[in-house]
Amino acid sequence: SQTIHQWPATLVQPVGSPLSLECTVEGTSNPNLYWYRQAAGRGLQLLFYSVGIGQISSEVPQNLSASRPQDRQFILSSKKLLLSDSGFYLCAWSTGPRPYEQYFGPGTRLTVT
Amino acid sequence: GENVEQHPSTLSVQEGDSAVIKCTYSDSASNYFPWYKQELGKRPQLIIDIRSNVGEKKDQRIAVTLNKTAKHFSLHITETQPEDSAVYFCAASPITSGTYKYIFGTGTRLKVLA
Repeated sequence: SQTIHQWPATLVQPVGSPLSLECTVEGTSNPNLYWYRQAAGRGLQLLFYSVGIGQISSEVPQNLSASRPQDRQFILSSKKLLLSDSGFYLCAWSTGPRPYEQYFGPGTRLTVT
Repeated sequence: GENVEQHPSTLSVQEGDSAVIKCTYSDSASNYFPWYKQELGKRPQLIIDIRSNVGEKKDQRIAVTLNKTAKHFSLHITETQPEDSAVYFCAASPITSGTYKYIFGTGTRLKVLA
């Protein structure tokens, strides 16, 4: 069965510092991968999605970027964090035969101080 | 842009009563409608979904209905239990696009009072 991992689970970073969050999926190949952000008490905002290695689509202009260096690895990065980047970052995957069903990872809770 | 409106934002019901959460979508190309349950501090979990070729789908105490003409879909929970307390999110997606991007509603905090 498929499993999705995210790390770190929690992170406290100062404003202006860099960021790297990692998501990996096991038990499947060529998944669609998604990064979402959830601000405290708010809904889910799609940040990036990827349908294959090196293929990244951005949904919201911001100081974040994403990369997919391997089939089952998705990375979210920032060169300089802002206070507004605080939130719960969720990675999700989907794959055939029901590629429209998205399943979420455990998330990374980021606090920018 | 495309959006999904979700109501109510909070809902309190007595244990054993029913709960209904409603969503309205704007993108007429949307044809897949999942519902997620998120407990405090946890990841959202897919609990039920419906495709546009179906008007209703049930899974034990949970059901989802879809009115394509009105662009409405709803989650129905019967015989509510304290463990149903959580935030529920609806979403809409045009799955024929090949990317399966979701537009989420803003969430409903359901409290089941014992």
